[in-house]
Amino acid sequence: GENVEQHPSTLSVQEGDSAVIKCTYSDSASNYFPWYKQELGKRPQLIIDIRSNVGEKKDQRIAVTLNKTAKHFSLHITETQPEDSAVYFCAASIADYGGSQGNLIFGKGTKLSVKP
Amino acid sequence: DAEITQSPRHKITETGRQVTLACHQTWNHNNMFWYRQDLGHGLRLIHYSYGVQDTNKGEVSDGYSVSRSNTEDLPLTLESAASSQTSVYFCASSIGVVGARKFFGPGTRLTVL
Repeated sequence: GENVEQHPSTLSVQEGDSAVIKCTYSDSASNYFPWYKQELGKRPQLIIDIRSNVGEKKDQRIAVTLNKTAKHFSLHITETQPEDSAVYFCAASIADYGGSQGNLIFGKGTKLSVKP
Repeated sequence: DAEITQSPRHKITETGRQVTLACHQTWNHNNMFWYRQDLGHGLRLIHYSYGVQDTNKGEVSDGYSVSRSNTEDLPLTLESAASSQTSVYFCASSIGVVGARKFFGPGTRLTVL
């Protein structure tokens, strides 16, 4: 089955710096890669996603890149702000059209701390 | 506004008791999912459903069951609660296509004493 590895597990940056979180996946059939942000005590919130027919996607200060050959994808946050502090989860969708219809397998999360 | 809700938000129970966690969505989504979240493990899939009367096991389904009698609800039942089932439980839903965006409920914190 699919396996998603996420690094680093913790990341501390100064306000204004960039942050990069990396994930690798094992199943080459996966074709959907969302990123979720979870603040303390809150639900995971979808912040950006990318599909395998696209190499990069941006939304204001956040961007995601995908390298299908190497089976890895990354989240980039530029000009970080204290409110970016949270746990970030990557996930990959098992593209089994016969059954799993996109069940997400999650990485274990990265705790991002942005210091003012 | 359409949304996904969970109840109760907090629950304390004793080992061996049956517990049911409710999940209700008003988006008319076909797909519904239950995850548990534990430190060091991220989010792990317990059960999922692609429509009424459809249920499937996820990677950590032992000790849990679900039923889907309508589109809006997917209750999660712990048949005989164990301390290892102390966790935060999240329900999620999505439309019924591959790669559809998944939206999470607010979570239920369950403590089994």
